[in-house]
Amino acid sequence: NAGVTQTPKFQVLKTGQSMTLQCAQDMNHEYMSWYRQDPGMGLRLIHYSVGAGITDQGEVPNGYNVSRSTTEDFPLRLLSAAPSQTSVYFCASGSSGVYNEQFFGPGTRLTVL
Amino acid sequence: QQPVQSPQAVILREGEDAVINCSSSKALYSVHWYRQKHGEAPVFLMILLKGGEQKGHEKISASFNEKKQQSSLYLTASQLSYSGTYFCGTDGGATNKLIFGTGTLLAVQP
Repeated sequence: NAGVTQTPKFQVLKTGQSMTLQCAQDMNHEYMSWYRQDPGMGLRLIHYSVGAGITDQGEVPNGYNVSRSTTEDFPLRLLSAAPSQTSVYFCASGSSGVYNEQFFGPGTRLTVL
Repeated sequence: QQPVQSPQAVILREGEDAVINCSSSKALYSVHWYRQKHGEAPVFLMILLKGGEQKGHEKISASFNEKKQQSSLYLTASQLSYSGTYFCGTDGGATNKLIFGTGTLLAVQP
């Protein structure tokens, strides 16, 4: 099993550009989520999904879109990148059972100039 | 709202003990604990459920006070490998919407 994979590992954008961060998991997990990590702020939830076709907002959803067309994939779209979106982005997945431990991907380091 | 962790940072010598606390202003269904080493992804340590059940690594212990909406992680006889940032994550209602605290940096020195 590859677990949770994220691409790209690094990305530099100019203000106003759009892009999609990819996330895939091969553990048949129902639950997937996106977090951003900034110094001193911990992990902040952007969007999450409890199954294909179902998504909901987290703590900091503005400027990001998600969709979940399959169980395996959960892409995160930046519509018009801003310097405030410079961060490390982590995707996570977990089962919907009682013991829903989360498995994190390796992260994408995004810089917006 | 993010749970509050304390202390923000702690430095230990090998073999010493530490306690990391996590407090929420909301009623909790479960509390998760994760450890993140520099430049890596967070890794699951333990989950504690309302009602007393828990699952995690054998060498890690934690408590969950449902009434006080607090959890504590106990690190005993610390090793160099325990160094990293520890995060608690809280779920208010078995929604899988996990909200993390700002983290506690733990440094274990020889």
